[in-house]
Amino acid sequence: EDQVTQSPEALRLQEGESSSLNCSYTVSGLRGLFWYRQDPGKGPEFLFTLYSAGEEKEKERLKATLTKKESFLHITAPKPEDSATYLCAVQAANDYKLSFGAGTTVTVRA
Amino acid sequence: GAVVSQHPSRVICKSGTSVKIECRSLDFQATTMFWYRQFPKQSLMLMATSNEGSKATYEQGVEKDKFLINHASLTLSTLTVTSAHPEDSSFYICSADRRGGSKETQYFGPGTRLLVL
Repeated sequence: EDQVTQSPEALRLQEGESSSLNCSYTVSGLRGLFWYRQDPGKGPEFLFTLYSAGEEKEKERLKATLTKKESFLHITAPKPEDSATYLCAVQAANDYKLSFGAGTTVTVRA
Repeated sequence: GAVVSQHPSRVICKSGTSVKIECRSLDFQATTMFWYRQFPKQSLMLMATSNEGSKATYEQGVEKDKFLINHASLTLSTLTVTSAHPEDSSFYICSADRRGGSKETQYFGPGTRLLVL
């Protein structure tokens, strides 16, 4: 069974204080690892898909990296508008379902 | 980016009634859509996979007779919660699976908040 573990559960940052979120996973053959952002009361918003170890993707202040066992989401010089819950999910090679982690709730104080 | 809509966004109903939630893919065709449920402070739990033109595939522990799924076209899937009870109150989110090309991923709808009294 696919497993996704995210840490920490919550992260409180000062504006401009860079940090990283971790997503550890086990899956029977990885098709893709996904990062989403979710604001309270809304559906997840797509950020990145990573397909193979060593791959990196960037979008504004966010950068996602992937190894064979984990992925990191780096937030550089965060702003209050980066406050959200960040969800990691994996998709197995033999399926299109997503298995989600519990998420990391990031709060950025001005 | 891709857009997925859900209707209604919020519904309050009495115990025992049925509620239908629509999920539409607005700018691409989706042969597969997914339905999730999310309880407060928890992550998304997959309920079922909706396949256009065929029966839905339900996850273990999800009652197929209680959560009826219909995927009649490549842009519309519906979830009907039959004989709803207070324990069915939750946030229901659908996603549409976009395959092929540089935009391949699952795109999520805005969610439907269901409150059963």
